[in-house]
Amino acid sequence: NAGVMQNPRHLVRRRGQEARLRCSPMKGHSHVYWYRQLPEEGLKFMVYLQKENIIDESGMPKERFSAEFPKEGPSILRIQQVVRGDSAAYFCASSHSGTANTEAFFGQGTRLTVV
Amino acid sequence: AQSVTQLDSQVPVFEEAPVELRCNYSSSVSVYLFWYVQYPNQGLQLLLKYLSGSTLVKGINGFEAEFNKSQTSFHLRKPSVHISDTAEYFCAVVKEETSGSRLTFGEGTQLTVNP
Repeated sequence: NAGVMQNPRHLVRRRGQEARLRCSPMKGHSHVYWYRQLPEEGLKFMVYLQKENIIDESGMPKERFSAEFPKEGPSILRIQQVVRGDSAAYFCASSHSGTANTEAFFGQGTRLTVV
Repeated sequence: AQSVTQLDSQVPVFEEAPVELRCNYSSSVSVYLFWYVQYPNQGLQLLLKYLSGSTLVKGINGFEAEFNKSQTSFHLRKPSVHISDTAEYFCAVVKEETSGSRLTFGEGTQLTVNP
């Protein structure tokens, strides 16, 4: 049973370009969470999705950021017109149920560098 | 809203020494508590969690933590550390009465085990 798969592992974008980060949850998991880890900081919750639905996007910046989790395929975190401040590690986690005590399994992250 | 404070950003210890990583939380509602470990350039791995019951929780790799409700603390301990325990450790909480595993993380403690 493969774990949470994120790709790419490393992504370099020039300012103004778009970044697309992909996350395939563990088999059987229908709940996906995205977190951002800025340098020297802890992880900050961004968005919680179930298949085809955004449950909570309270941690997402209001502009340029969007996320989806389609019926088929991976979850996508999309950052438009990237700026240097978007450079960070982005982690995806998945769980098999929507209860708060369910363990969330993390991917290895995508490290985005904006140059 | 809830918050997590990890009191030490860096903890250097010698191999085979005991270690305690401190974590305090603040929340107006009941929470579940977690400790995660992050090895360099990796994702997060769950060490242990407190949901209910015994306040002393045992996890993987010989770690344990004690939930203290009156002091709102959840300190992580290991009686004898190994070089391989060198990593970043994150304390996290999630509200009991919520959907999904939306974690609030502390800033992290870098544990460095020296020979």
